[in-house]
Amino acid sequence: GAVVSQHPSRVICKSGTSVKIECRSLDFQATTMFWYRQFPKQSLMLMATSNEGSKATYEQGVEKDKFLINHASLTLSTLTVTSAHPEDSSFYICSARVASGGGATDTQYFGPGTRLTVL
Amino acid sequence: QQPVQSPQAVILREGEDAVINCSSSKALYSVHWYRQKHGEAPVFLMILLKGGEQKGHDKISASFNEKKQKSSLYLTASQLSYSGTYFCGGSEQGGSEKLVFGKGTKLTVNP
Repeated sequence: GAVVSQHPSRVICKSGTSVKIECRSLDFQATTMFWYRQFPKQSLMLMATSNEGSKATYEQGVEKDKFLINHASLTLSTLTVTSAHPEDSSFYICSARVASGGGATDTQYFGPGTRLTVL
Repeated sequence: QQPVQSPQAVILREGEDAVINCSSSKALYSVHWYRQKHGEAPVFLMILLKGGEQKGHDKISASFNEKKQKSSLYLTASQLSYSGTYFCGGSEQGGSEKLVFGKGTKLTVNP
């Protein structure tokens, strides 16, 4: 099956610093990757859609200058949380779409997630 | 719009069956089902595309009604490994590739 990795799995940082999270598709090429945020015992909230070689599409209410997304290649997307604050602490999960030309019929495979704690 | 899942939580004994529902106010293009265990990534279970579709593997199956507004996930003869939170994700008509997930249904299977 399709495997998606994320790095790091956990990160603790001081308020005001920036944190970069990597999402890689290991055995397939992903033209589209998605970034989600999940608070404890809550649902997956889509933050942005990342397409290789183009600007990310952010969901309403998500600050694009705070959550920088770069989809540099068909196997790598990065999320940088800039000037992190305690309220940014959350579980960040990426997913990669296995493209079969079907658009919304394509399956999304999730990475293992990154637990961010901002002190 | 976020699909509505029901029930919010269910507790079973091993071997019992469960049904998890996912409803949308609008017709969906597709519905995707995932299971997530605590602290882990969601794991893909299945995707349904057509109105009236039913599909499944092993003891987990799902249906998608004709109007494509309701999907149900059926877990039969539940096993301890079935415990987790189940999410449905819907994509909107028009082929939008993004999924909007329901709030999840927490399933606990006890010995």
